[in-house]
Amino acid sequence: EIVLTQSPGTLSLSPGERATLSCRASQSFSSYLAWYQQKPGQAPRLLIYGASTRATGIPDRFRGSASGTDFTLTISRLEPEDFAVYYCQQYGSSPWTFGQGTKVEIK
Amino acid sequence: QVQLVQSGAEVTKPGASVKVSCKASGYTFTDYFIHWVRQAPGQGLEWMGWINPNSGGANYAQKFQGRVTMTRDTSISTAYMELTRLRSDDTAVYYCARIPLGPGAFDMWGQGTMVTVSS
Repeated sequence: EIVLTQSPGTLSLSPGERATLSCRASQSFSSYLAWYQQKPGQAPRLLIYGASTRATGIPDRFRGSASGTDFTLTISRLEPEDFAVYYCQQYGSSPWTFGQGTKVEIK
Repeated sequence: QVQLVQSGAEVTKPGASVKVSCKASGYTFTDYFIHWVRQAPGQGLEWMGWINPNSGGANYAQKFQGRVTMTRDTSISTAYMELTRLRSDDTAVYYCARIPLGPGAFDMWGQGTMVTVSS
């Protein structure tokens, strides 16, 4: 089973700042990695798939990148609606697995 | 529009079973796998398994083998997840989500179904 480790656990930032979220995999699985955003009481929403492709309707301030088994989600300038929990997920190897999440909170 | 609509909240007792439904609309039901993911209160996301609506074939996470069954009814574009021998730590929100045939991410999710297991 591929273990995904997200860091940091919590990121305290102000609107307009840049957010950098990390997801490290225990083994390689190509680029079958996705990022999701989840707000309280809501289902997750797909942001990025294939490590770097934005899903339909996702603004370009969200950017995904990869280097080996290290994956990064960057939010260039935080908008008020971006404060949420973010999960990475791999779909290259069964069982599908998720990271434990990074909470982006308002400083 | 494309959506997955799940059945309502359930309250049940330890040892019982629960069956959650997920009705698809706005797309061809058999063109996408349906996966089930759960989230315990205040916790992260946990993958449970998938069903291929076209063939009915399913694959379950080892943790749930023997307790979970995923089925579908193509005539009403609905997938089901049944979990048996419930325990208190099965209390969670259960989501269905779709993936296109072949490797893919969850591009559409149901709204979630809260299942509470309590004596």
